[in-house]
Amino acid sequence: EAGVVQSPRYKIIEKKQPVAFWCNPISGHNTLYWYRQNLGQGPELLIRYENEEAVDDSQLPKDRFSAERLKGVDSTLKIQPAELGDSAVYLCASSPSGSKRDEQFFGPGTRLTVL
Amino acid sequence: DAKTTQPPSMDCAEGRAANLPCNHSTISGNEYVYWYRQIHSQGPQYIIHGLKNNETNEMASLIITEDRKSSTLILPHATLRDTAVYYCIVRVATGNQFYFGTGTSLTVIP
Repeated sequence: EAGVVQSPRYKIIEKKQPVAFWCNPISGHNTLYWYRQNLGQGPELLIRYENEEAVDDSQLPKDRFSAERLKGVDSTLKIQPAELGDSAVYLCASSPSGSKRDEQFFGPGTRLTVL
Repeated sequence: DAKTTQPPSMDCAEGRAANLPCNHSTISGNEYVYWYRQIHSQGPQYIIHGLKNNETNEMASLIITEDRKSSTLILPHATLRDTAVYYCIVRVATGNQFYFGTGTSLTVIP
């Protein structure tokens, strides 16, 4: 079974440029998460989707960040414009609904460097 | 607010048991303790979780104190591939929110 797929794996951009990350969750997983992980820190939740609905976006900086999960499968996270402080690894995770373990399956992440 | 406290780093000799402690003194009665690990350049990986009873699976054992204010993750025979950052997480009762904290960087030494 394929895991969570993310692309690109690495992205280098100049500040003020836009950037987008793509995530394909594990087939059948209704819940999708986007996390940001700064160097030396644990992942921090940005947004959580249940199917196509964003049910928790309280930590998403809405002035420059946006996300969508059309059709409740793939998801895209966008930053516009990017700032130096946005340099981090952006992780996508998914989990099946009704799972007793509530286990989240993570992708490898996208490492963003803003110059 | 991570709700857990872990030592920043630990070493363990290959083949020996690795015991990783975690304090979660403010845990609520319906909150679970989860452990994930993150190998360099990979996403976090689920290890084990528990509520109040000790748990064991193919990867590790989880020992939770009777007052639930602390727990220990045990890797019975550490290998070099167990070198990773280990996160102890208290799962918020409502919703699937995980607060990872900064974790413990475990280095298994040959």
